[in-house]
Amino acid sequence: DTGVSQDPRHKITKRGQNVTFRCDPISEHNRLYWYRQTLGQGPEFLTYFQNEAQLEKSRLLSDRFSAERPKGSFSTLEIQRTEQGDSAMYLCASSGDGRYNEQFFGPGTRLTVL
Amino acid sequence: DQQVKQNSPSLSVQEGRISILNCDYTNSMFDYFLWYKKYPAEGPTFLISISSIKDKNEDGRFTVFLNKSAKHLSLHIVPSQPGDSAVYFCAASGKTGANNLFFGTGTRLTVIP
Repeated sequence: DTGVSQDPRHKITKRGQNVTFRCDPISEHNRLYWYRQTLGQGPEFLTYFQNEAQLEKSRLLSDRFSAERPKGSFSTLEIQRTEQGDSAMYLCASSGDGRYNEQFFGPGTRLTVL
Repeated sequence: DQQVKQNSPSLSVQEGRISILNCDYTNSMFDYFLWYKKYPAEGPTFLISISSIKDKNEDGRFTVFLNKSAKHLSLHIVPSQPGDSAVYFCAASGKTGANNLFFGTGTRLTVIP
């Protein structure tokens, strides 16, 4: 059981550049979530996939953010024209179907926008 | 608007004693509650959960209590061990939709040997 993996673990970029993060969920999990965590806060929900369908997006997910999950396996989160306020830890989680299934988190991608 | 609140940013406990971490929520639609533990530079690790049909759930040294009328839950760790030192997050989800988690701001637990 390999758990949830994320790549890269760290990303430093200059303001205005585009960045893309990848998440590989636990293989049998249909549900995939993206969260963002800033210093001193808990993770905040960004978006949710059920298989390949993106079913919900938080208002935190501005037009510069886009997420995909082709074929219902791995997912990517892209941020276009990064801003310093985008600096955060981006966390991916996956879970099985059903109401009471815990979400398992990956190690996160730490983004720093200079 | 913070729907899940952890009002104690930190807690120190002697090894072997009980650690009690508290969490309050405001949304009466929440019906599933979880505790996660987080070490620096790692993602949150699931510890224990409870659904709203129960008021207590135990797993080894960890017990979660839910008081629905007070919209309050707590995590008890007994006996506390130095390896328990971490940030603990309380989280909750509602009955419909994405079942995404709403997190508190965390409590840093330090277990003193």
